Amino acid sequence: DAGVTQSPTHLIKTRGQQVTLRCSPKSGHDTVSWYQQALGQGPQFIFQYYEEEERQRGNFPDRFSGHQFPNYSSELNVNALLLGDSALYLCASSSRFPYNEQFFGPGTRLTVL
Amino acid sequence: SQQGEEDPQALSIQEGENATMNCSYKTSINNLQWYRQNSGRGLVHLILIRSNEREKHSGRLRVTLDTSKKSSSLLITASRAADTASYFCATPMDSSYKLIFGSGTRLLVRP
Repeated sequence: DAGVTQSPTHLIKTRGQQVTLRCSPKSGHDTVSWYQQALGQGPQFIFQYYEEEERQRGNFPDRFSGHQFPNYSSELNVNALLLGDSALYLCASSSRFPYNEQFFGPGTRLTVL
Repeated sequence: SQQGEEDPQALSIQEGENATMNCSYKTSINNLQWYRQNSGRGLVHLILIRSNEREKHSGRLRVTLDTSKKSSSLLITASRAADTASYFCATPMDSSYKLIFGSGTRLLVRP
């Protein structure tokens, strides 16, 4: 049973560029959440997708957008990259109900130069 | 904003010793979860304790929850070098779906 997978593993971009990160949820899960983790900090919630719609959003600007596909996989897009967007981006999958545990992928390390 | 705050920020112990880390949170919770993260990679779910539970065990892990003090502790018994990692507590905010994480405890287990 495959767990949560993310691609790519590492990514280097320059300021102003756009990036797309991808996530496939654990088998049987239909909900995907995205988190940003700066160095030395805990993960910060970006948004969550369920039934191909954004269900909840954290305190992130509109430069951060996402998408969920019919097979429950998801993408995170970040436009107009800033140096401060450098972080580990984590995808987590879960069942549709609140309060359940979330299973995390290995993350994508984004470096913005 | 962060809901949970772990204490201590860093902990260094000898292999075989027990490691205890604490988490405090601010608002009422439905449950509290502990995660482990190795070398800045993905988080591994360790244990979930619900608000009506006081203690839970999983292998060498023991978690307690005191809702009156809004705190939780994670005890790792007979630690191993492989337990070296960062440990985070996380709580779902109210009826929302998002998890709020603390800043973590960095545990170093020396061989």
